[in-house]
Amino acid sequence: QQPVQSPQAVILREGEDAVINCSSSKALYSVHWYRQKHGEAPVFLMILLKGGEQKGHEKISASFNEKKQQSSLYLTASQLSYSGTYFCGTGVSSNTGKLIFGQGTTLQVKP
Amino acid sequence: NAGVTQTPKFQVLKTGQSMTLQCAQDMNHEYMSWYRQDPGMGLRLIHYSVGAGITDQGEVPNGYNVSRSTTEDFPLRLLSAAPSQTSVYFCASSYGVGHYTFGSGTRLTVV
Repeated sequence: QQPVQSPQAVILREGEDAVINCSSSKALYSVHWYRQKHGEAPVFLMILLKGGEQKGHEKISASFNEKKQQSSLYLTASQLSYSGTYFCGTGVSSNTGKLIFGQGTTLQVKP
Repeated sequence: NAGVTQTPKFQVLKTGQSMTLQCAQDMNHEYMSWYRQDPGMGLRLIHYSVGAGITDQGEVPNGYNVSRSTTEDFPLRLLSAAPSQTSVYFCASSYGVGHYTFGSGTRLTVV
């Protein structure tokens, strides 16, 4: 039931790009993306709803393929501040508060 | 606005003791959830609520109780603490299927 994220960890140099994938075995209504810094609470990045829309947030964007039940988070021209653990959360309907998270992807950006 | 407030921030319990983790939000959010976070396991859903008087089980509900008597408060009760419940606990709230705001977390150690 828990969505599967890949890769589990990635190390980048500043300016490089990264893609984090999230895959579910269930039909999805929504996919959420969060970033968590060490010792802090997760912080919302974006939400994608059923319809396959793509969203952007500064140099971070995401897509949602509802047919494949997959979402990808794209980080372009990475900055040191992008370091942290990224989680995708999935919801199966529009009227449920049940948001299930993947195991996380740790991203480290080096100078 | 204070957002989502969790108390206490740290707690040490002895095996078999009971306690309540408090969570309050001042954003008039309908949805509230409790997650636990363990290394390598991501965020796992314990219980969630879509409104006052309505609660449901998440992925790992055993050993925990919740109630939602008001929109603002969503306490989590540990009935008889076990070392396996050592974890960081996060409370989160949202307005419908929107982005979740997380509290700062409670770090619980059971000895």
